[in-house]
Formats: sequence, C-alpha cells, structure tokens
Amino acid sequence: DVKVTQSSRYLVKRTGEKVFLECVQDMDHENMFWYRQDPGLGLRLIYFSYDVKMKEKGDIPEGYSVSREKKERFSLILESASTNQTSMYLCASSPRGRGYNEQFFGPGTRLTVL
Amino acid sequence: DQQVKQNSPSLSVQEGRISILNCDYTNSMFDYFLWYKKYPAEGPTFLISISSIKDKNEDGRFTVFLNKSAKHLSLHIVPSQPGDSAVYFCAASGAGAGSYQLTFGKGTKLSVIP
Repeated sequence: DVKVTQSSRYLVKRTGEKVFLECVQDMDHENMFWYRQDPGLGLRLIYFSYDVKMKEKGDIPEGYSVSREKKERFSLILESASTNQTSMYLCASSPRGRGYNEQFFGPGTRLTVL
Repeated sequence: DQQVKQNSPSLSVQEGRISILNCDYTNSMFDYFLWYKKYPAEGPTFLISISSIKDKNEDGRFTVFLNKSAKHLSLHIVPSQPGDSAVYFCAASGAGAGSYQLTFGKGTKLSVIP
C-alpha cells in the first residue's frame, strides 16, 4: 500500500521559532511537493522538488525553505514562524514522466503558530 | 491570476440525487484534469481524472465531463451519499516541462443531506 507520511498531525509553535515539517514517501517517486491549505484559498504550492538536492519555488515560497537530501524525504522549514503561517500543510509525491500527473498526498500537518 | 476556478464554494444536495460540481480553466495548455476529495483533517485523495483527448470518463458513481472549447469540466456524482460530503478540488496539469505540477482550484464543499 503506497504511502506518504508526515511527521506530525498537529503542531503548536511560538512566533519566531524554527519549525521543521518532515515528509517521507515509500513509492520511489522522483517528485515531491509542499502545499498549504487555507479556507477559501484552496491548495497553494510552496516548493517542489523533482530530484534529490533539487528544489523549485512554487507560488508562495516566502518565509519557507526546503531540503531534499534523500529521494524519499522532503522537509519544509519555517525559518522564523509567524502567526500568518498557521495553516494545514500537505506533502505530496508523484512519479516522473508524462501520464503520471496524479499526486499522492500525506495526511497533513495542522500547524498553529501562537 | 487564477487559472483553475471553482466558482461555487459550497453545494448542498439531497441523498440519492445528483451532485454536479463545476470547474473552469483559463490556460489552454492544460491537457490533464483531476478531481480530488478531501475530508477535514485528512490529505486529499485522488478521485477521477480525464485526459484532454476524451470528453467523458466514468468510474462507478463518479463521471467527469470535459468541454475543451468552453474550458469547462464537471464532476457528476450519482446517486449522492452522505459519505460523499467533503471538499472537492479540481486540478489541472499541462504539457511540456513541469507537466507534473498541478494547479488547484479553491474547492467546493459538498454537503449531502440524508
């Protein structure tokens, strides 16, 4: 059974803290993605990676960075958390190549920044 | 600039009746379309997709219709069941480099009333 896992389901952090969100997939997928979901705004792409050590900015990268040291793991980093980063964070993965557009999502991390 | 639009934030339908969720897109380079279903506190799950070479794809109670000339697609659920109550996201991807990226709409919350 294919799986994308995220390190935490719920997380509460203080303003200014450095926050790490971890994502692991066991499908040997090349592509990995980080989104945030907010009511009325849908899913917005933060960063994505199409290979180890490669990263590309999505639509809303400000305030975030990412790390992909291994194929199966993609980390999202909030360098200095702010209250406007309170959100649901979703990780996804997909295989490379045409015809493989379906992305597989993890369960999400609900982050609250106080 | 919103390239994938779901103009109805919410929809209520009686159990047993048809649910029709609509999605419009503006980018003519999109050639593959997907619908995802999302329950609260869970990640989105893939529901059904359609390639631009088709105008209809069916999977059990779910049918997606694509009208390329109108840049419009719709998801039909027949018959609707209370377990279908969720947020539905329309997504699109295009040809060429970066085709594995998905552009999501803002979602439509479906409520199926018993």
